[in-house]
Amino acid sequence: EVQLVESGGGLVQPGGSLRLSCAASGFTFSSYSMNWVRQAPGKGLEWLSYISGSSTTIYDADSVKGRFTISRDNAKNALYLQMNSLRVEDTAVYYCAREANIEGATLPDNWGRGTLVTVSS
Amino acid sequence: DMQMTQSPSTLSASIGDRVTITCRASQSISIWLAWYQQKPGKAPKLLIYKASTLESGVPSRFSGSGSGTEFTLTISSLQPDDFATYYCQQYKSHRTFGQGTKVEIK
Repeated sequence: EVQLVESGGGLVQPGGSLRLSCAASGFTFSSYSMNWVRQAPGKGLEWLSYISGSSTTIYDADSVKGRFTISRDNAKNALYLQMNSLRVEDTAVYYCAREANIEGATLPDNWGRGTLVTVSS
Repeated sequence: DMQMTQSPSTLSASIGDRVTITCRASQSISIWLAWYQQKPGKAPKLLIYKASTLESGVPSRFSGSGSGTEFTLTISSLQPDDFATYYCQQYKSHRTFGQGTKVEIK
């Protein structure tokens, strides 16, 4: 069974940093691209970052480019999101999502339960 | 940047109703569109990919159609378990979600 468990969320002051982790199990982690997606309270889903299985391809949304960095450690079956220069508007639940290769393309198919990040003074 | 626009934002419907949600892309995405269902406090669940292909285990009352820039998600006969928020997502170029459509009880 595919399992994705996010951790590392919490309360942080504006301008601060936080590192989120996503522990993966139930599949061959290195064979799958991964994403981070967030959801502000009462708002919709916002895609943030994508990383290929070998880390050779990385895409970031403009809203986090230069502040957030996605990475992975395939030996540890772990995905990370380093978040710097945090703003109040970064307050959200952060999800990791696996990309599955389905009929010629990849898209997110399995999601974790999310970890809450609150940016406030 | 790719934009995805869903309508309506909220939809009030009764059990048994036929429900249609529309998603428009700011540029052509061919058929690279997915639909997700999300319930409060839960992670999104993949319903449909490639615009019209049902994910395994998803009830057949759900269907998707469209290509290019216009897409629809239809629930043929709304069931109690279907009250949720639905998101479209393009995966032709990076990933972009629509703003969501909340289906609520009338």
